[in-house]
Amino acid sequence: QKEVEQDPGPLSVPEGAIVSLNCTYSNSAFQYFMWYRQYSRKGPELLMYTYSSGNKEDGRFTAQVDKSSKYISLFIRDSQPSDSATYLCAMSGQAGTALIFGKGTTLSVSS
Amino acid sequence: DTAVSQTPKYLVTQMGNDKSIKCEQNLGHDTMYWYKQDSKKFLKIMFSYNNKELIINETVPNRFSPKSPDKAHLNLHINSLELGDSAVYFCASSQANPAFREEQYFGPGTRLTVT
Repeated sequence: QKEVEQDPGPLSVPEGAIVSLNCTYSNSAFQYFMWYRQYSRKGPELLMYTYSSGNKEDGRFTAQVDKSSKYISLFIRDSQPSDSATYLCAMSGQAGTALIFGKGTTLSVSS
Repeated sequence: DTAVSQTPKYLVTQMGNDKSIKCEQNLGHDTMYWYKQDSKKFLKIMFSYNNKELIINETVPNRFSPKSPDKAHLNLHINSLELGDSAVYFCASSQANPAFREEQYFGPGTRLTVT
């Protein structure tokens, strides 16, 4: 079983839709959880950061972490064509250690 | 101001050559990383340095040698390049202190093509 599982998609939605992206993981030591957005031929851009369990909201983006289920989610409300990108979940167990990434989900938002 | 910068952005070279990629961060972070992103977009850690000291060294061929002259710079030297080394190499940095947020910030990447 891979440490981090993420459905690669592709996921296609119309503009204005609510998008749900998910990752599951197997290592119960993970406590730092991040979502990155990566546009084609660009570096990953940090979108959301969560420590331990709980929800975090930032504008149209909401990140949720359920450590009991080893499941993290990213919700995008009122999706825009500019949200079209690959979304990578990443996590680590200790500060200063390597992030373990999911394989990324490719999202396409059509206008 | 660019937080994490890498040079060069593109690198095309022949098999057997030796090449270097440079990374600099101006965030005041004390930990820097090299990640490799393969053709399927999967990002995987290669090395990590904390205050110029090697912390993580994943299963990477000895042909890859990182060097950190100071905590703001991390370079990657690759000897005897092989076709399979073709990938995008990303540098990242973070403030590796549990008292701080553990976000890692990535550079724009160096796209290496070995012919």
